Amino acid sequence: QSVLTQPPSVSGAPGQRVTISCTGSSSNIGAGNDVHWYQQLPGTAPKLLIYGNNIRPSGVPDRFSGSKSGTSASLAITGLQAEDEADYYCQSYDSSLTGRDVVFGGGTKLTVL
Amino acid sequence: QVQLVQSGAEVKKPGSSVKVSCKASGVTFSNFAITWVRQAPGQGLEWMGRIIPILGINNYAQKFRGRVTITADKSTSTAYMDLSSLRSEDTAVYYCAKIGAYGDYDYWGQGTLVTVSS
Repeated sequence: QSVLTQPPSVSGAPGQRVTISCTGSSSNIGAGNDVHWYQQLPGTAPKLLIYGNNIRPSGVPDRFSGSKSGTSASLAITGLQAEDEADYYCQSYDSSLTGRDVVFGGGTKLTVL
Repeated sequence: QVQLVQSGAEVKKPGSSVKVSCKASGVTFSNFAITWVRQAPGQGLEWMGRIIPILGINNYAQKFRGRVTITADKSTSTAYMDLSSLRSEDTAVYYCAKIGAYGDYDYWGQGTLVTVSS
């Protein structure tokens, strides 16, 4: 059971737009902690896709965008391409009695139809 | 160009320990923090802990406290993750990653598969 909740899977046809949600609580996303997103292609290490809620690292296409509101965040992908088929993870920080821990979403598998 | 290169795959017996290394290049090692994340087969990402080499400070996820030790050798720009009392559930790919200015993980190692089996 992940602290951040993501849908297990989403799908879309080439050229379409899809969104992936990341739902947290008042102790993590709602506490003002930044949300980061990673793309993991099969058999490879995760790659940073979005940091600081909505900032794209150099080299990441502007088809990818991030947003955050309240206790949730979203990753949007427009103009879907076959190469976008991958697992996507959100990440933030959680403030609890035991300290300030890193938390991940359970991951979302994107299928390009 | 920042690169993190990890040590090779390991096969361990239950109850033993494993030490995975992560050598950084292309960046001043003392200027950033390193984190360790693992991924069990077919599962998601799980944070284990982090170290700030220049301060010698580390933090561990509650789940791993008492079993994991993360260290760093500034002279060789290498971070280490030592996990003890291994059990079959520790079979996973272990990743190191550099922590960016926003707490993001901007560069990742290639991963090290640790298999725990009798």
